[in-house]
Amino acid sequence: GAVVSQHPSWVICKSGTSVKIECRSLDFQATTMFWYRQFPKQSLMLMATSNEGSKATYEQGVEKDKFLINHASLTLSTLTVTSAHPEDSSFYICSVRAETQYFGPGTRLLVL
Amino acid sequence: GENVEQHPSTLSVQEGDSAVIKCTYSDSASNYFPWYKQELGKRPQLIIDIRSNVGEKKDQRIAVTLNKTAKHFSLHITETQPEDSAVYFCAANNFNKFYFGSGTKLNVKP
Repeated sequence: GAVVSQHPSWVICKSGTSVKIECRSLDFQATTMFWYRQFPKQSLMLMATSNEGSKATYEQGVEKDKFLINHASLTLSTLTVTSAHPEDSSFYICSVRAETQYFGPGTRLLVL
Repeated sequence: GENVEQHPSTLSVQEGDSAVIKCTYSDSASNYFPWYKQELGKRPQLIIDIRSNVGEKKDQRIAVTLNKTAKHFSLHITETQPEDSAVYFCAANNFNKFYFGSGTKLNVKP
């Protein structure tokens, strides 16, 4: 299966700052990656579909100007949380669609 | 979009007993149904999946059944062990997107 990494695994930032999270597909060329967020004890909520070389597709209710996605290559997608606020604190997970879906290890964001 | 419902939200069983988790989906176009196991603070890991042209699939102690007509699918774990304790998510694949159930926290008591 595909091997997916994320960086950073943990990030703590002050309110108002922007945070960039990287998702890398290490052994698979991914034209499509997905970004999820997961609150404690809750399910994974699909935020957006990241498409290589084109704009991301956002799910209803997800602010595209708040969560900027860039998929510049077949192995890298980035999610930037702009002007982060405490309510953005969450576990962010990316995934790659191969024959099934493979998840990254997740990034835990804490906004103070 | 697709709506996936999962029950129960928590399930406690004695070691050696069976556990069953059920999911329903809304969109008949969904054609792939994976199940994931997630341990605390870790990524979801695929444990078994089933495609819409198959009614049942088994892998050792784990099995999944699919009823396309009723739009529901179930995960069955037999001879449960303490290491099976985790949160389990079902998902439905619809137009290349995955929609997840709300999760079931399984606790296997030794």
